[in-house]
Amino acid sequence: ETGVTQTPRHLVMGMTNKKSLKCEQHLGHNAMYWYKQSAKKPLELMFVYNFKEQTENNSVPSRFSPECPNSSHLFLHLHTLQPEDSALYLCASSQEQSNTEAFFGQGTRLTVV
Amino acid sequence: AQSVTQPDIHITVSEGASLELRCNYSYGATPYLFWYVQSPGQGLQLLLKYFSGDTLVQGIKGFEAEFKRSQSSFNLRKPSVHWSDAAEYFCAVGAWSSASKIIFGSGTRLSIRP
Repeated sequence: ETGVTQTPRHLVMGMTNKKSLKCEQHLGHNAMYWYKQSAKKPLELMFVYNFKEQTENNSVPSRFSPECPNSSHLFLHLHTLQPEDSALYLCASSQEQSNTEAFFGQGTRLTVV
Repeated sequence: AQSVTQPDIHITVSEGASLELRCNYSYGATPYLFWYVQSPGQGLQLLLKYFSGDTLVQGIKGFEAEFKRSQSSFNLRKPSVHWSDAAEYFCAVGAWSSASKIIFGSGTRLSIRP
């Protein structure tokens, strides 16, 4: 049990669909992240939220739209994705301004068909 | 520029044998170093971390790592591996107080030979 829960664990969607990934952390952290993990590529940081405010967007295409309604919840809204967007999407949280690591959820395996 | 290099993409060791996974980093300030493990289809779990103090750090599951500033290395070791250690291992370097600045290596896949 990592304290960071992601749903769904698996998702298959067509290129014209709209879906959302959900992440919830029960650790009292104030920062949350979305990472993309593709086969044979390093982990890519997509978005960072500190205290519900987006502080980083690493040149992510607009077909990925994050939402952070509060410090415990993070969403990734998906629309008109491409097959190359198929990957494992990992959510993480941390406590900023302290010596701590990022805690990861188990990820959502996304397949775009 | 900050970077993390894991030179070994895939390593196979026999069960019961010792293990060393290599990690080299490039970082402008005092680095904060991590090793994470990822089982298939799972998220990343922290094995150990180094922030300051003793350069030999102990982690979970019998792993340890040694920070060598002169070599810019933070290699992971285990004296005797178990079949359950088969997984992907990621080294990472980051800045104090900001997990968003963590940079991950490309990972080393560990296979265990029975």
